[in-house]
Amino acid sequence: DADVTQTPRNRITKTGKRIMLECSQTKGHDRMYWYRQDPGLGLRLIYYSFDVKDINKGEISDGYSVSRQAQAKFSLSLESAIPNQTALYFCAAQGSGSSTDTQYFGPGTRLTVL
Amino acid sequence: QKEVEQNSGPLSVPEGAIASLNCTYSDRGSQSFFWYRQYSGKSPELIMSIYSNGDKEDGRFTAQLNKASQYVSLLIRDSQPSDSATYLCAVREIQGAQKLVFGQGTRLTINP
Repeated sequence: DADVTQTPRNRITKTGKRIMLECSQTKGHDRMYWYRQDPGLGLRLIYYSFDVKDINKGEISDGYSVSRQAQAKFSLSLESAIPNQTALYFCAAQGSGSSTDTQYFGPGTRLTVL
Repeated sequence: QKEVEQNSGPLSVPEGAIASLNCTYSDRGSQSFFWYRQYSGKSPELIMSIYSNGDKEDGRFTAQLNKASQYVSLLIRDSQPSDSATYLCAVREIQGAQKLVFGQGTRLTINP
């Protein structure tokens, strides 16, 4: 496994607050991803990064920003949280090349915005 | 926007029976397909990947791919209560960043 960790695991915050979710992986994978999951909607991609200097928007990037501080670290920020950002957030990591085609997911962060 | 469609369920199957989960995709050129299992409140866990037409077996799990019909399925033989979970189908885009596109998931319940 890619040994992907996320902090915090649970967070309750108020509307308008800035919040950062952190993700780390220990296997040296190049590619990292942030998803959100809402009931009945599957996983939707927020941002992804193929290396430290490569950051890309996913399908639902509005209201979010990211930082790839190092190969192992990829953080997601909500600059001004709103209630419809209440969701389960997952980070994932994946190696590059045909032999490492699998995305490994972190344990998730449950975020509640009041 | 590439699409991956699954029946959201819930799908209820008696213990010991075969559970059949289906997924269709819109991009005819797709080459890589994945099945993830997700227990409630937990992260998705890869259980099968398949790249060629036909069947791929791993223990009680069999993935089936038919590129001509653009569907991929997952069969679970001898279903156990511990198989109760949501199963996510994912297809890798063939162009651009080659991201995974996920279906909305099928919730499976195995009844003892």
